[in-house]
Amino acid sequence: DAGVTQSPTHLIKTRGQQVTLRCSPKSGHDTVSWYQQALGQGPQFIFQYYEEEERQRGNFPDRFSGHQFPNYSSELNVNALLLGDSALYLCASSFWLGLASSYNEQFFGPGTRLTVL
Amino acid sequence: EDKVVQSPLSLVVHEGDTVTLNCSYEVTNFRSLLWYKQEKKAPTFLFMLTSSGIEKKSGRLSSILDKKELFSILNITATQTGDSAVYLCAVDHQTGGGADGLTFGKGTHLIIQP
Repeated sequence: DAGVTQSPTHLIKTRGQQVTLRCSPKSGHDTVSWYQQALGQGPQFIFQYYEEEERQRGNFPDRFSGHQFPNYSSELNVNALLLGDSALYLCASSFWLGLASSYNEQFFGPGTRLTVL
Repeated sequence: EDKVVQSPLSLVVHEGDTVTLNCSYEVTNFRSLLWYKQEKKAPTFLFMLTSSGIEKKSGRLSSILDKKELFSILNITATQTGDSAVYLCAVDHQTGGGADGLTFGKGTHLIIQP
């Protein structure tokens, strides 16, 4: 059983460009969350997708957008890249058990290392 | 604003030592506190704590939560070089939309010297 996979593993872009990162969730999972981890920092929540809709969003500008496909895979798009967008982008998947459930364990992928020059 | 604070930010000890990592939090709609180990890239799940005072154990690792004082500790006994990693504390707090956004601390960078 494959875990969470992400592509590409590394990416180098220049300021102003646009980038798309991809994530395939663990088999059986229907929810995908994206996190940004700058060097020396903990991951910061970007947004979460469930049933092909953005369900929750962290404190990130509109330059960060996403999409979830019917097969539950997801993309993260970042427009007008800034130097400060350089980070490890982590995708995490989980299975939504409903509002009354306790924490739905999130499994993390290996991440995409984005460098903006 | 929700926040999770970990201490120390870095720690260097010798093999065989016991370490205690700290995590304090202030969040709305707390559901659970989680500990992750991050060695290269993907954080791997260690513990989930929801109830105060109940210790979770896994081999040489253990963790406990104090919901009154809003903190948790992660203990590692008889440390080994393979324990070297960044240990992340995260809090799960449910929003009205039912999503599970995690708020992470900055992590404790633990180095075990042989």
